[in-house]
Amino acid sequence: AQTVTQSQPEMSVQEAETVTLSCTYDTSESDYYLFWYKQPPSRQMILVIRQEAYKQQNATENRFSVNFQKAAKSFSLKISDSQLGDAAMYFCAYRRGGMRFGAGTRLTVKP
Amino acid sequence: DTEVTQTPKHLVMGMTNKKSLKCEQHMGHRAMYWYKQKAKKPPELMFVYSYEKLSINESVPSRFSPECPNSSLLNLHLHALQPEDSALYLCASSQVVENNEQFFGPGTRLTVL
Repeated sequence: AQTVTQSQPEMSVQEAETVTLSCTYDTSESDYYLFWYKQPPSRQMILVIRQEAYKQQNATENRFSVNFQKAAKSFSLKISDSQLGDAAMYFCAYRRGGMRFGAGTRLTVKP
Repeated sequence: DTEVTQTPKHLVMGMTNKKSLKCEQHMGHRAMYWYKQKAKKPPELMFVYSYEKLSINESVPSRFSPECPNSSLLNLHLHALQPEDSALYLCASSQVVENNEQFFGPGTRLTVL
């Protein structure tokens, strides 16, 4: 079975600072996809970034980047230059059929 | 058109009612999904349709009945629900099941009285 663990229920960051959200997962597969989704108070799920396991290069999307450690089964999200609009629930997810989500991390951005 | 639409936005129903949730996409996607999200919890996968055929049922109670009448439309028929079924129901789609990106709709907030 695949499981996704997010050990930080809540995180806080000062505007313009950098924050890292943690995620670990468990799988016996060698090729898979990992994702970070953002869910603001509007409840709309928004894809932040994705990583293909066979690619060794860490994915980057503007201010968002990941640190993918395949051997350690770790997939953390780094948000640089945090903005007030980044405040949301962040879910790490593993793709198997549908998305299998971690418990989420609530990110607060302080002005 | 890159969005998934869901109707209604809100639904209140009694335990004896029959209602349906609707999801629509016009991106040519051939995989569609239903998720259930309780308050302060992550979305949980319920059903996956691939090329209009049910491919995954995550042991969902039979009071939830999915239907995919065509490649653009996904319904979730509700009957004899319980108060604990109150939740946000999210629909998503992707090009195919193996494709890596899912697009989510805004959800239907369901309250069962």
